[in-house]
Amino acid sequence: SQKIEQNSEALNIQEGKTATLTCNYTNYSPAYLQWYRQDPGRGPVFLLLIRENEKEKRKERLKVTFDTTLKQSLFHITASQPADSATYLCALNNNAGNMLTFGGGTRLMVKP
Amino acid sequence: GAVVSQHPSRVICKSGTSVKIECRSLDFQATTMFWYRQFPKKSLMLMATSNEGSKATYEQGVEKDKFLINHASLTLSTLTVTSAHPEDSSFYICSASPSGQYSNQPQHFGDGTRLSIL
Repeated sequence: SQKIEQNSEALNIQEGKTATLTCNYTNYSPAYLQWYRQDPGRGPVFLLLIRENEKEKRKERLKVTFDTTLKQSLFHITASQPADSATYLCALNNNAGNMLTFGGGTRLMVKP
Repeated sequence: GAVVSQHPSRVICKSGTSVKIECRSLDFQATTMFWYRQFPKKSLMLMATSNEGSKATYEQGVEKDKFLINHASLTLSTLTVTSAHPEDSSFYICSASPSGQYSNQPQHFGDGTRLSIL
């Protein structure tokens, strides 16, 4: 069966450290993978998109990697700040091509 | 740019009431909008794809007579939860993209509607 797995346990890190979140998928062949941030009671906000032929994508303090062999994407936040505390969702297109399917999200807590 | 507005943000009503949720693209036209449902600490589950000027496409297991979708203009889609019951209580979120429904484009989400049925 198809699965998109993110660590359901909250990730607690100290301010200034690098946060690394994992997204693993099974039985998908995504051409694109996206990462979103969601704050409590709000809709998700788009952060980054990475294509299957891209190994890495960066935006300011954010970095995303995409390994189609391991079927995994890693999402890094460097020099983390308490304001980075939120739930981070990965999403990818299903095998039909167009629709986005979301992982369960990982809650990140950055402590001062 | 690419702002999606959702209204109301919160609804509390009695069982049996029908509730309408609006999703508007404020600065772009959206031929396609998406409706999601999210349970506490769970992921977004796609309910249906709303297509301007035609019938919505529902995901498996979603009752189309229960969740009525109307997409009468390029900037407005509505979701009506008919005869709502406590099990329909959830967080409903819409999304749209200026570029349509392609997975290589980011989706822009509304801020969601918290529906509580007593």
